[in-house]
Amino acid sequence: NAGVTQTPKFQVLKTGQSMTLQCAQDMNHNSMYWYRQDPGMGLRLIYYSASEGTTDKGEVPNGYNVSRLNKREFSLRLESAAPSQTSVYFCATSSGPNSPLHFGNGTRLTVT
Amino acid sequence: SQQGEEDPQALSIQEGENATMNCSYKTSINNLQWYRQNSGRGLVHLILIRSNEREKHSGRLRVTLDTSKKSSSLLITASRAADTASYFCATDAGYQLIWGAGTKLIIKP
Repeated sequence: NAGVTQTPKFQVLKTGQSMTLQCAQDMNHNSMYWYRQDPGMGLRLIYYSASEGTTDKGEVPNGYNVSRLNKREFSLRLESAAPSQTSVYFCATSSGPNSPLHFGNGTRLTVT
Repeated sequence: SQQGEEDPQALSIQEGENATMNCSYKTSINNLQWYRQNSGRGLVHLILIRSNEREKHSGRLRVTLDTSKKSSSLLITASRAADTASYFCATDAGYQLIWGAGTKLIIKP
């Protein structure tokens, strides 16, 4: 079982370029999340999707957009990348609120 | 904003010793969760303890929760090299989990 799969694993962008981070899960979970992890800080929630067809902003949504394509897939888009978006991005899923999260292995993004 | 704060930031012990790390938080919670992150990987859920529970065990892991002090501790007994990782606590805040910055644990052989 793959669990939560993120692509790509690594990406380097120039300032102003755009890209989409992909996340797919085979756990049949309703809820999906995008987090960023920066050195010395806890995970910060960018966007989440409580169920298929819904998305909501998290703590740090500026500069990002998301699409819940179907129950399995939740993508994160950077329309115009900035150096401040250099980070490791994690997708996670859960069966519902207050339930444990299951994480992908992350996408390491560098914006120069 | 960070709610959970882990202490210490880093911990280095000999294999076989016990490791204790602490988490403090600021507001009332429904539950508190502990996760482990190995270098370069995603986080893995370890234990969830609800606000009406005081202690929970899972294998070599023991978690306590003191809601009056707004704190939790994670004890790893008989540590192994494979326990080397960062450990994070997370508290729920409505629909969102709020994360601490983590404790980096190194087990020396």
